[in-house]
Amino acid sequence: DSGVTQTPKHLITATGQRVTLRCSPRSGDLSVYWYQQSLDQGLQFLIQYYNGEERAKGNILERFSAQQFPDLHSELNLSSLELGDSALYFCASSVYPEMEPQHFGDGTRLSIL
Amino acid sequence: GQQVMQIPQYQHVQEGEDFTTYCNSSTTLSNIQWYKQRPGGHPVFLIQLVKSGEVKKQKRLTFQFGEAKKNSSLHITATQTTDVGTYFCAAGSNAGNMLTFGGGTRLMVKP
Repeated sequence: DSGVTQTPKHLITATGQRVTLRCSPRSGDLSVYWYQQSLDQGLQFLIQYYNGEERAKGNILERFSAQQFPDLHSELNLSSLELGDSALYFCASSVYPEMEPQHFGDGTRLSIL
Repeated sequence: GQQVMQIPQYQHVQEGEDFTTYCNSSTTLSNIQWYKQRPGGHPVFLIQLVKSGEVKKQKRLTFQFGEAKKNSSLHITATQTTDVGTYFCAAGSNAGNMLTFGGGTRLMVKP
């Protein structure tokens, strides 16, 4: 158990819809990261937050947005969903924002029908 | 942006054989991390290498960071069925803790 909690575990929705994925980092971790993993693919970095502020941005689409709240949990919002958005979305956390091991949650599997 | 190439993409070995995966970057890396993802699981941190030429061992696993800090390798001696999974290298940048993951090497071990 990594200590990172992601909800929901599975999400099935239709094209054009909007969903919110939630992540609670490990106790004491200030930095949160979001990754997308398509079937049998690598991990694509989406975005990083540190102590409530956006720290780094990767290949995140404009239809996607995220935020980190004062209690340090984070949400990833995906809108106008397309079939290609079907993937496993991982959240990870670390204590500090640089050169730290990242601890991953179990992921949210998003299926777009 | 930073790109990290990892080879091979897949590797089948007989239990007891050795296994190596390689990670290469065209740019000098500040650090490199290795993760293992079991089938159906999430990536789990294995180790971080920071210094040029660094070698670290964890039981049957040996991790190396190249002298030029542009490549790294993970070697597993005498594989076991519990080694099955995908091994990812992840290159760190100095800007935040953004990791660029390699494509991963999927290891399959025949008992």
